[in-house]
Amino acid sequence: GESVGLHLPTLSVQEGDNSIINCAYSNSASDYFIWYKQESGKGPQFIIDIRSNMDKRQGQRVTVLLNKTVKHLSLQIAATQPGDSAVYFCAENNGNFGNEKLTFGTGTRLTIIP
Amino acid sequence: KAGVTQTPRYLIKTRGQQVTLSCSPISGHRSVSWYQQTPGQGLQFLFEYFSETQRNKGNFPGRFSGRQFSNSRSEMNVSTLELGDSALYLCASSPGTIGGPLHFGNGTRLTVT
Repeated sequence: GESVGLHLPTLSVQEGDNSIINCAYSNSASDYFIWYKQESGKGPQFIIDIRSNMDKRQGQRVTVLLNKTVKHLSLQIAATQPGDSAVYFCAENNGNFGNEKLTFGTGTRLTIIP
Repeated sequence: KAGVTQTPRYLIKTRGQQVTLSCSPISGHRSVSWYQQTPGQGLQFLFEYFSETQRNKGNFPGRFSGRQFSNSRSEMNVSTLELGDSALYLCASSPGTIGGPLHFGNGTRLTVT
């Protein structure tokens, strides 16, 4: 994810439907990726992470898919709820020691329609 | 377990002044990172401290500095404030070893007038 200040992509989904949020990352050497959710007035909240030796990881109602060939990451949210409305960021690690230096994508604003 | 705590929540400063922001990490976490979030540039990495030493640094001018204390608490300082420094400043902590995500506080909203 390139940390550039561009127009925030938006996605509107009917409550109960599934949503997919996509992210292109920039550094082929990155080996750890994270999805964060940010609600208004709050800091980013960890959702799910994945290492480069995996291509899929599942959590509770969320799945992250990693395609290293095209440097693409996606977040799938199943059975969306009103509380899922937020801005979602992907992040890749660029630190030398671990996961402390992250490069964030521009974010996607997800709106759940009741 | 208490989360990452940042103080103050809001700050209003005038151009040319300096400001200090504070961050208390999750208990047991030894790494503290700072990020700047603006509508124009998004989330950008400032620097990261581990065991009182700066380990990683972003591309910000020298006016932005930080430090970490022996109890892992961290402070960030911005000197000679500019209008463009208005932003949400986020602190995040992690154990500091390989593995595991950063956990963010709710930030300090700095407004420079």
